[in-house]
Amino acid sequence: DAKTTQPPSMDCAEGRAANLPCNHSTISGNEYVYWYRQIHSQGPQYIIHGLKNNETNEMASLIITEDRKSSTLILPHATLRDTAVYYCIVRVATAAGNKLTFGGGTRVLVKP
Amino acid sequence: GAVVSQHPSWVICKSGTSVKIECRSLDFQATTMFWYRQFPKQSLMLMATSNEGSKATYEQGVEKDKFLINHASLTLSTLTVTSAHPEDSSFYICSARIRGAGELFFGEGSRLTVL
Repeated sequence: DAKTTQPPSMDCAEGRAANLPCNHSTISGNEYVYWYRQIHSQGPQYIIHGLKNNETNEMASLIITEDRKSSTLILPHATLRDTAVYYCIVRVATAAGNKLTFGGGTRVLVKP
Repeated sequence: GAVVSQHPSWVICKSGTSVKIECRSLDFQATTMFWYRQFPKQSLMLMATSNEGSKATYEQGVEKDKFLINHASLTLSTLTVTSAHPEDSSFYICSARIRGAGELFFGEGSRLTVL
């Protein structure tokens, strides 16, 4: 699986949009971009994933650049409960290559 | 989303004893489950891939005789930490994939403390 690079930490204000960047310059054509988050002392929670088109769900939006070498996770209105470590992972979504390899992630602190 | 449950959520044991952690997929069948370990302030590290009805595949550096994995049914995988020592104290997390789908769902984690 391709490696990803994320900033180690970022702060954002409650109620504002939080934009979390991720670089994956070595991503290959059949690798998806996945985002998970981990709230302290809990298991990771799936947020969103995409291949090349932008995606949106009830939790977040995922913007993938045209060359697919980077992406941004957008939390539209951050709340205090969004404080967590956010992991960007790229992987092939096939039966054989389904394991997730976690990098360091971005530690997001939402402040009132 | 799909629910993956782990039990126990925390356990304290004496050095030298064995501890079993269960991972269940509550509302779907999981042919593959994954076991991770996480030390404080570190990221998740994949330990092994558990396949229903066959032997687990362990990541490099993970002792298969130390961490026994059994995946006897499509909804249950177990991780047994044998002869536990204080350095095995960690947060153990399992994940499972719905058959035919892409995303993985994670359990709540099990915190093991070995005295």
